[in-house]
Amino acid sequence: DVKVTQSSRYLVKRTGEKVFLECVQDMDHENMFWYRQDPGLGLRLIYFSYDVKMKEKGDIPEGYSVSREKKERFSLILESASTNQTSMYLCASNPAGGLNTQYFGPGTRLTVL
Amino acid sequence: QKEVEQDPGPLSVPEGAIVSLNCTYSNSAFQYFMWYRQYSRKGPELLMYTYSSGNKEDGRFTAQVDKSSKYISLFIRDSQPSDSATYLCAMSPTNAGKSTFGDGTTLTVKP
Repeated sequence: DVKVTQSSRYLVKRTGEKVFLECVQDMDHENMFWYRQDPGLGLRLIYFSYDVKMKEKGDIPEGYSVSREKKERFSLILESASTNQTSMYLCASNPAGGLNTQYFGPGTRLTVL
Repeated sequence: QKEVEQDPGPLSVPEGAIVSLNCTYSNSAFQYFMWYRQYSRKGPELLMYTYSSGNKEDGRFTAQVDKSSKYISLFIRDSQPSDSATYLCAMSPTNAGKSTFGDGTTLTVKP
């Protein structure tokens, strides 16, 4: 079974803090994704990566950066957290040449005070 | 206007009812269509995957794609309380990489 794990289920941070969200997948997938999910706004793509050290902006990259130094790990960084970044963050992965289905992690509920 | 529009719900039905969940889209390049199910406080998981137009059945679930109308549906027969979840449609022009997701429809099946 594909497993995508996220470092924290719940996180509370203060405005201005630098926040790291970590995601690890164990199926050697090339593609990895970071989304945020908000009521009424659905699932919005922040960044995705199609290979180590490669990244592409999604629909809402402002205020976020990413890092992919190893194939299995994709990190989302909030450089200076703000209250409007309070959200559910979901990581996903899929293989480059296979079916276009994404395997999601359990999510991190981030609250910025 | 969003590329993918999904009936917002929420939807509440009695156990045993037939449920219809729907999405429309504007990008005619979409060829791969997926339905994900997301239980509360969990990540989405793939439920159905279809390519191009037609129907696909898996147990109590049927996915239907009408590319001429740019309309996809998920039918759930004999709905159960365990089907209570948020259902997200997703679609893509290729069989790899990114998908575009609908906002999700929250379904509650009451015993």
